[in-house]
Amino acid sequence: DVQLVESGGGLVQPGRSLRLSCTGSGFTFGDYPMGWVRQAPGKGLEWVGFIRRTSYGATPESAASLEDRFTVSRDDSKATVYLQMNSLKTEDTGLYYCIREIQGQGAGEYWGQGTLVTVSS
Amino acid sequence: EIVLTQSPATLSLSPGERATLSCRASQTVTNHLAWYQQKPGQVPRLLIYNAFNRATGIPVRFSGSGSGTDFTLTISSLEPEDFAVYYCQQRINRGTFGPGTKVEIK
Repeated sequence: DVQLVESGGGLVQPGRSLRLSCTGSGFTFGDYPMGWVRQAPGKGLEWVGFIRRTSYGATPESAASLEDRFTVSRDDSKATVYLQMNSLKTEDTGLYYCIREIQGQGAGEYWGQGTLVTVSS
Repeated sequence: EIVLTQSPATLSLSPGERATLSCRASQTVTNHLAWYQQKPGQVPRLLIYNAFNRATGIPVRFSGSGSGTDFTLTISSLEPEDFAVYYCQQRINRGTFGPGTKVEIK
């Protein structure tokens, strides 16, 4: 079975950095584009970013509003995708989901349970 | 950035009724449109991708249609477990989600 497990969330002060990790199992990790979606408490879904599979250059893209602070990367040898978040703001508080995308379509076929990030002083 | 607008914001229906949800894009997304269902406290679930393809395990009462800028998710006959929030998403240009449509029991 496909499984995605996020880690790295927690309480962090505004202006600090945090790196989230997501480890996949049950599939050939390097064959899939991977992404991140977040959800603020009581709000809707927000696309954060994704990274192409290695055979397509493993190039990342982030939401335009986040690209100066958030970067997605991957390490296929560890079956892990990362989200580096810098200069965190209180509005970055939320549940961060890791997703495995359908190749060529971008839809999130599989989702992790999420890791909670709280930005507060 | 491509903006997605969903209507209505809330849909009040009874079990057995047909639900029609709309998603409109500010510019063409061709067929790179997906639909998700989210129930309270649960992880979102992919229903439809490529505008009309049902994801694995999704019942046939869920169907998607449209292309370009106008899309529809139809639930042919609502089951009790279908009352939830539904989001559309485009991934042709980075990615964006619509604000969601809540389908509630009338």
